[in-house]
Amino acid sequence: QVQLQESGPGLVKPSETLSLTCTVSGASISSGDYYWTWNRQPPGEGLEWIGYVHYSGSTYYNPSLKSRVTISLDTSKNQFSLKLSSVTAADTAVYYCARRSETGRVWFDPWGQGALVTVSS
Amino acid sequence: QSALTQPRSVSGSPGQPVTISCSGTSSDVGGYSHVSWYQKHPGKAPKLLIYAVTKRPSGVPDRFSGSKSGNTASLTISGLQAEDEGDYYCCSYGGNYIHVVFGGGTKVTVL
Repeated sequence: QVQLQESGPGLVKPSETLSLTCTVSGASISSGDYYWTWNRQPPGEGLEWIGYVHYSGSTYYNPSLKSRVTISLDTSKNQFSLKLSSVTAADTAVYYCARRSETGRVWFDPWGQGALVTVSS
Repeated sequence: QSALTQPRSVSGSPGQPVTISCSGTSSDVGGYSHVSWYQKHPGKAPKLLIYAVTKRPSGVPDRFSGSKSGNTASLTISGLQAEDEGDYYCCSYGGNYIHVVFGGGTKVTVL
């Protein structure tokens, strides 16, 4: 079965770049019409879509974060990554990677366990 | 503020039905058949419960069902069980600009 696991620093300083990696097992990220996704959940708040990268390499971002976000594939390692620049305390959240369904369908399954990232000096 | 509106909490006794609403607009919930629902327990990954408004993935109990009327989607748990306690989130495709919008989440309490 397909499994996803987030990894990366749990503490990032304000104004720096947050970097997370999602390792995928049980499926190849370079095949199949899927979108490899990052979502997040700030403490006490709801879920927020950050963006996704299609297996073809096309990217789609939340307009509210677009100027600061980069999501990319590393097919050699079967991983995809998130970079969020110029972070502030408002970016403190649990970050989840997930797989979005094929083109024409929109749901997320499976999800990773989540990685808490705190922005603080 | 989340794009989709859900009640902050609902509760019920074991065996009772509960319904969670998810209110959007004609640009998201009302405009597409791409509503999904997720269950989340503390410290665990979100779990897909319902996709494409009404469909249930294999392994999800049939007491969970989804529906939509106009700009509002709903998740119904037909007979509440203790293990259903947790947070529930709706999600919709939001068109070519925003792509994905989530609700703020609803906490389900089993009395």
